[in-house]
Amino acid sequence: QQQVKQSPQSLIVQKGGISIINCAYENTAFDYFPWYQQFPGKGPALLIAIRPDVSEKKEGRFTISFNKSAKQFSLHIMDSQPGDSATYFCAASTKAAGNKLTFGGGTRVLVKP
Amino acid sequence: NAGVTQTPKFQVLKTGQSMTLQCAQDMNHNSMYWYRQDPGMGLRLIYYSASEGTTDKGEVPNGYNVSRLNKREFSLRLESAAPSQTSVYFCASSRNPQGGTDTQYFGPGTRLTVL
Repeated sequence: QQQVKQSPQSLIVQKGGISIINCAYENTAFDYFPWYQQFPGKGPALLIAIRPDVSEKKEGRFTISFNKSAKQFSLHIMDSQPGDSATYFCAASTKAAGNKLTFGGGTRVLVKP
Repeated sequence: NAGVTQTPKFQVLKTGQSMTLQCAQDMNHNSMYWYRQDPGMGLRLIYYSASEGTTDKGEVPNGYNVSRLNKREFSLRLESAAPSQTSVYFCASSRNPQGGTDTQYFGPGTRLTVL
């Protein structure tokens, strides 16, 4: 059973467009929600993260929106660029469980020039 | 700093063979992790080591064993490989799982095929 569900599995966006990836979780004990970016042939790398005491966090063109009551969070990539083409994973963890990450299934994003 | 290194990069095994995947980190991190990545499944935790001298099972430990050799090194062993273990394996490390937020740093992965 997947505790973090991610959608869509893939998406194609034109250069300059907005990419939106959604995640839903079940465990209300989760207290840290990172997003990882993975390029082909590489390991994942932390992109941006949020804690549940804020509803939004922005870093450059990347924004996380968090809805605690709905147990959902999303990643928005503004002004998408071809260099953003990668697989994105949402994840969640709880300090009580030693900060082990539970990952979503991943979204492959292709930005067309 | 090399970060997290993994060897080998690629491996092909026959069913029933054994092998050990090696992982090392040079960031003086306390915690280390082994994940497998399968299409549509994200990354699933196999085993982790919160600190030197401790190891614990993750979500999918069956068919695997681990050894935390020292603070730098964490190996994953397949005793009798099965086709279901065909996957990409990632090692990761982090500074401290007990306090505050904790970023995991991933290695480049090992692509394993079991025939």
